[in-house]
Amino acid sequence: AQSVSQHNHHVILSEAASLELGCNYSYGGTVNLFWYVQYPGQHLQLLLKYFSGDPLVKGIKGFEAEFIKSKFSFNLRKPSVQWSDTAEYFCAVSPFTGGGNKLTFGTGTQLKVEL
Amino acid sequence: GAVVSQHPSRVICKSGTSVKIECRSLDFQATTMFWYRQFPKQSLMLMATSNEGSKATYEQGVEKDKFLINHASLTLSTLTVTSAHPEDSSFYICSAREGEVSTDTQYFGPGTRLTVL
Repeated sequence: AQSVSQHNHHVILSEAASLELGCNYSYGGTVNLFWYVQYPGQHLQLLLKYFSGDPLVKGIKGFEAEFIKSKFSFNLRKPSVQWSDTAEYFCAVSPFTGGGNKLTFGTGTQLKVEL
Repeated sequence: GAVVSQHPSRVICKSGTSVKIECRSLDFQATTMFWYRQFPKQSLMLMATSNEGSKATYEQGVEKDKFLINHASLTLSTLTVTSAHPEDSSFYICSAREGEVSTDTQYFGPGTRLTVL
């Protein structure tokens, strides 16, 4: 079974600061990787995903993530955060084949961006 | 596109009653739907996988007789919490996947807050 670790539970940044949220996973095979965001009072939305190919993935709203296979990591980055990026961010993985496309989520990182 | 709705958004019920939550894919046909549970300040935990026209597959530790799942059409799945108790109070979230390929993305509904008194 796969597992996902997000080491930063709460992050507070000032506007324009750079962001990096850590995500590490544990699984014996190839995985699909996702970052989801949940804005206050809203449902989970897909930020970006990695299935194969270029390990640097660009998503919506200026976010990107880099898959480093040797480190089992898929960290989320944004060069300059905005107040509107305040939200909870979830990293998730699913087996590349088999496993029924079941997602395993990390515990989430609550990001607060201050003006 | 890829919108998933849930109804109701909030429900309060008495202990011992049953509650049905609906999950609909509004603009696509969902061959597979998933049901998750989210406890306060915790992550989403997968409860079961629901495939249209077949029995749901439950995760270990999830009581299939308590959490009844029906996926009668390609756009609707329902979760019924039977004989609800206060410990069933939680945030229930569904997601839907359009195709069969393992690389397809899941799209999430807004969730249903269940409070059992």
